[in-house]
Amino acid sequence: NAGVTQTPKFRILKIGQSMTLQCTQDMNHNYMYWYRQDPGMGLKLIYYSVGAGITDKGEVPNGYNVSRSTTEDFPLRLELAAPSQTSVYFCASSETGGGSSYEQYFGPGTRLTVT
Amino acid sequence: AQSVTQPDIHITVSEGASLELRCNYSYGATPYLFWYVQSPGQGLQLLLKYFSGDTLVQGIKGFEAEFKRSQSSFNLRKPSVHWSDAAEYFCAVGGAAGNKLTFGGGTRVLVKP
Repeated sequence: NAGVTQTPKFRILKIGQSMTLQCTQDMNHNYMYWYRQDPGMGLKLIYYSVGAGITDKGEVPNGYNVSRSTTEDFPLRLELAAPSQTSVYFCASSETGGGSSYEQYFGPGTRLTVT
Repeated sequence: AQSVTQPDIHITVSEGASLELRCNYSYGATPYLFWYVQSPGQGLQLLLKYFSGDTLVQGIKGFEAEFKRSQSSFNLRKPSVHWSDAAEYFCAVGGAAGNKLTFGGGTRVLVKP
């Protein structure tokens, strides 16, 4: 199993450009998540999904969009990149959203710089 | 609203010495508590988790954590650190109904030879 994979690993965007961060998991997990990590701030939840076709906002959704057409994939879209979106982005997945089986598995991250 | 505070931003410890990382949480119901470790340039790996039962939880890599409801704390400990334990450590809280984790700001651990 590859687990959770993310592409690209690094990206530099100009202000106003758009891009999609890709996330794929091969564990057949229902739940998937996008986080951003800023220095000293821990991880903040951007969006999450409880299954194909179902997504919901997290703590910091502004400036981002997501879709979930398959169980495996959960892309994150930045439409008009802004310097405030410079961050490290992590995708994660879990089998369920609660109970003792609840453990989130993280991808290696995408480091995004907007200049 | 749930929240997590990790009071120590950086900790430096000598190899072989003991380590304790503090975590205080705020949650309105029975919390699910987690400790994750992040090595440089890597994603997060789960060290241990607490859902219920024994308040002393054993994890991977020789780590343990103790849940103290009266103090709203879930501190992480290791009796003897190795140079490979140098990393950033995150405490997180979630709930039984929840799929959303709230993370603390992290504690960066440096290990001196």
